[in-house]
Amino acid sequence: KQEVTQIPAALSVPEGENLVLNCSFTDSAIYNLQWFRQDPGKGLTSLLLIQSSQREQTSGRLNASLDKSSGRSTLYIAASQPGDSATYLCAVMNSGYSTLTFGKGTMLLVSP
Amino acid sequence: SAVISQKPSRDICQRGTSLTIQCQVDSQVTMMFWYRQQPGQSLTLIATANQGSEATYESGFVIDKFPISRPNLTFSTLTVSNMSPEDSSIYLCSVVPGQVIEAFFGQGTRLTVV
Repeated sequence: KQEVTQIPAALSVPEGENLVLNCSFTDSAIYNLQWFRQDPGKGLTSLLLIQSSQREQTSGRLNASLDKSSGRSTLYIAASQPGDSATYLCAVMNSGYSTLTFGKGTMLLVSP
Repeated sequence: SAVISQKPSRDICQRGTSLTIQCQVDSQVTMMFWYRQQPGQSLTLIATANQGSEATYESGFVIDKFPISRPNLTFSTLTVSNMSPEDSSIYLCSVVPGQVIEAFFGQGTRLTVV
């Protein structure tokens, strides 16, 4: 059974810092990996999708990497802003399925 | 991509009653998924809804408690039946459009049972 772990559970940084969120998964036979953002009490916004054959994806100040063999992914946020404050969720799609297994998320607070 | 409209966005319900959540997608999709997010927890898959067949439920979830309808390729409903305070959660609808294997989510329904 796939298990996804995210570290740290919470992170508080001052504005402008670069930061790294970590995600690990137990079964490396994944189809792809997605990073989502969730604002309090709201739905999920897809940030980045990495196919299993890819090593990284970039969107603006966000960069996600994937090391499938070691079961790890990182989300790098450059020059953090207060508007980045949210919970960031990592989810893997297992090969042959379209369902996702989620980590518990990293709650990020960026202070002005 | 896919745009998903989910209704209601939130509700406060009395225990013992039922609530039906609607999910409308702007394109035809084969499978729709319903997730639950309990307070402070991550998302857990409730069931997969295919058009024209019964939904497939995950371990711990049963049809009598969470009946699902899928009348066409753009719409689904999830009913939370005979609610108790333990059902207080965010319920989310998700789709994976066939062209790109990327999941998209609705805005969620925040349910509080009192």
